[in-house]
Amino acid sequence: EAQVTQNPRYLITVTGKKLTVTCSQNMNHEYMSWYRQDPGLGLRQIYYSMNVEVTDKGDVPEGYKVSRKEKRNFPLILESPSPNQTSLYFCASSKGTGARTNEKLFFGSGTQLSVL
Amino acid sequence: SQQGEEDPQALSIQEGENATMNCSYKTSINNLQWYRQNSGRGLVHLILIRSNEREKHSGRLRVTLDTSKKSSSLLITASRAADTASYFCAWNSGGYQKVTFGTGTKLQVIP
Repeated sequence: EAQVTQNPRYLITVTGKKLTVTCSQNMNHEYMSWYRQDPGLGLRQIYYSMNVEVTDKGDVPEGYKVSRKEKRNFPLILESPSPNQTSLYFCASSKGTGARTNEKLFFGSGTQLSVL
Repeated sequence: SQQGEEDPQALSIQEGENATMNCSYKTSINNLQWYRQNSGRGLVHLILIRSNEREKHSGRLRVTLDTSKKSSSLLITASRAADTASYFCAWNSGGYQKVTFGTGTKLQVIP
């Protein structure tokens, strides 16, 4: 079954404790992206990746890191989480490059992160 | 911010009625998409309309796009209780890589 898998589904942590949220897709998609969703703000893009070893900042990259060492995986790393990073996070992927990029995004189920 | 807005923020209708949601964006676009989100879950793609298209249909969904006004609308006809969800528009611009989402419309369909 074609899917984007995020883990964990829920995560509670404390300020400053490094964490990683994993994302994996089995559709051989080139494009992957991370979003955070906050009430009243919709989804805001954190980072995206056009292909292996190609990543770039979205609208709200501060406090986050990503890596794309393999095509299927795109982990989101919070080196020193802070309470303002408490949010619902989504990973998404789509096929193609150039004009076909982002034609249809497939989303993971989300990770609800609470930073105390 | 490059985010657009959706209008209304919330909409409550009776089953069988039509629901219309509007999206405004701020930049030139390559295409515009609509997504649905059930309470806290991942978004699901509904329909895509390209910048050179003005209207598109898919089942009970009808999407229009007016690039001169930088706006789009999503019409759900003959709504059902199962249509209760949040609906987001999204568009890509800026060299194709960025996808920007609107703030969403929360639709409640009352049985």
